[in-house]
Amino acid sequence: KAGVTQTPRYLIKTRGQQVTLSCSPISGHRSVSWYQQTPGQGLQFLFEYFSETQRNKGNFPGRFSGRQFSNSRSEMNVSTLELGDSALYLCASSPSAGAKGDLHFGNGTRLTVT
Amino acid sequence: GDSVTQMEGPVTLSEEAFLTINCTYTATGYPSLFWYVQYPGEGLQLLLKATKADDKGSNKGFEATYRKETTSFHLEKGSVQVSDSAVYFCALSVSQAGTALIFGKGTTLSVSS
Repeated sequence: KAGVTQTPRYLIKTRGQQVTLSCSPISGHRSVSWYQQTPGQGLQFLFEYFSETQRNKGNFPGRFSGRQFSNSRSEMNVSTLELGDSALYLCASSPSAGAKGDLHFGNGTRLTVT
Repeated sequence: GDSVTQMEGPVTLSEEAFLTINCTYTATGYPSLFWYVQYPGEGLQLLLKATKADDKGSNKGFEATYRKETTSFHLEKGSVQVSDSAVYFCALSVSQAGTALIFGKGTTLSVSS
């Protein structure tokens, strides 16, 4: 079974631009979550989608948004990029919402903002 | 609010040494507890979990016991290998928060032969 696939693996953007990251969950998984990983703040929850609906959102500004499609694939968008948005963005899928933390993570997208 | 505190690293051990990585938590309600591992250049993998007090999670020689009285979930392994070198994250999940996890800062383990 293929794992969680995130594209692209690396991105370099300029401050003020916007970026879209993509995540394909494990086949049959309907819940997709996004996390931001930085050396200073560690891993922080961004949001969770289940059946195309956002179920939960972390404490991030409105510049961070996401969506989920009918095939469970998900995208997250960051607008008006800031230097502090440089991070590894991890996507995780699980078979259902509230799956008690049994998450399957992708290898992440490394975003660098210059 | 809910939080997880784990010991600062790095932890440096020789092969076959005993490993303990401490993890304590603060949570309202009854959280589920997890250990995840991240190898270089990869995402996180679930190592083990425990969903109620006194449960012991185990996998690949690693163990952790959910201690409600001390709000702890320490990770242990009797004999580490070089291949165990990675970053280990303790995390908790509160049931009403969907799949959202609260992670500790991570502990880097380096095992030498």
